[in-house]
Amino acid sequence: DGGITQSPKYLFRKEGQNVTLSCEQNLNHDAMYWYRQDPGQGLRLIYYSQIVNDFQKGDIAEGYSVSREKKESFPLTVTSAQKNPTAFYLCASSIGPYSGRSGEQYFGPGTRLTVT
Amino acid sequence: AQSVAQPEDQVKVAEGNPLTVKCTYSVSGNPYLFWYVQYPNRGLQFLLKYITGDNLVKGSYGFEAEFNKSQTSFHLKKPSALVSDSALYFCAVREVENTGFQKLVFGTGTRLLVSP
Repeated sequence: DGGITQSPKYLFRKEGQNVTLSCEQNLNHDAMYWYRQDPGQGLRLIYYSQIVNDFQKGDIAEGYSVSREKKESFPLTVTSAQKNPTAFYLCASSIGPYSGRSGEQYFGPGTRLTVT
Repeated sequence: AQSVAQPEDQVKVAEGNPLTVKCTYSVSGNPYLFWYVQYPNRGLQFLLKYITGDNLVKGSYGFEAEFNKSQTSFHLKKPSALVSDSALYFCAVREVENTGFQKLVFGTGTRLLVSP
């Protein structure tokens, strides 16, 4: 988990509220990623960012939004439009997103979001 | 699209016995393959990767993986399991988009249970 921090570790929200999950890295990595993890489904990519001020939708972006104003930070907002927001959210980063690098990603400790 | 499959949801072994966690892949071109481990309520930790070269790859915590091109497999192995190896294991493959951006595609995970 070293080098990537996510806060808070546990988050509780009422249905209909937007919530922002923090992700910070001090690895000087260009690329950052957000995943959602549900039991039995592995990791699903929500959004990713190659460089500052640029981000792309992943496989399950609906109901989520992100920003990348600084290289170190990639916050994820879970909006009220996300129908099943309760999940474990993982942030990751990698050295460089383009071919020529092997592509391994390094993960933060995760945030468990519960919406009731 | 690149994909990996982990055919076993759960693997049980006794401490001291060898363990194998299976992964098969489907890719176009040469695969870049990865193994990660996840302990409860934690992020994923990188174990090892195969890019090219020797088919037997050694990684962290005494784990190794065998790349088999003819069987399109990349099984994770350890000669002698420890109770502390009990965790969730993910296989992943690198996917490169048309833009050159690379990301990881994960399997659904295999839970390893090592009994004392």
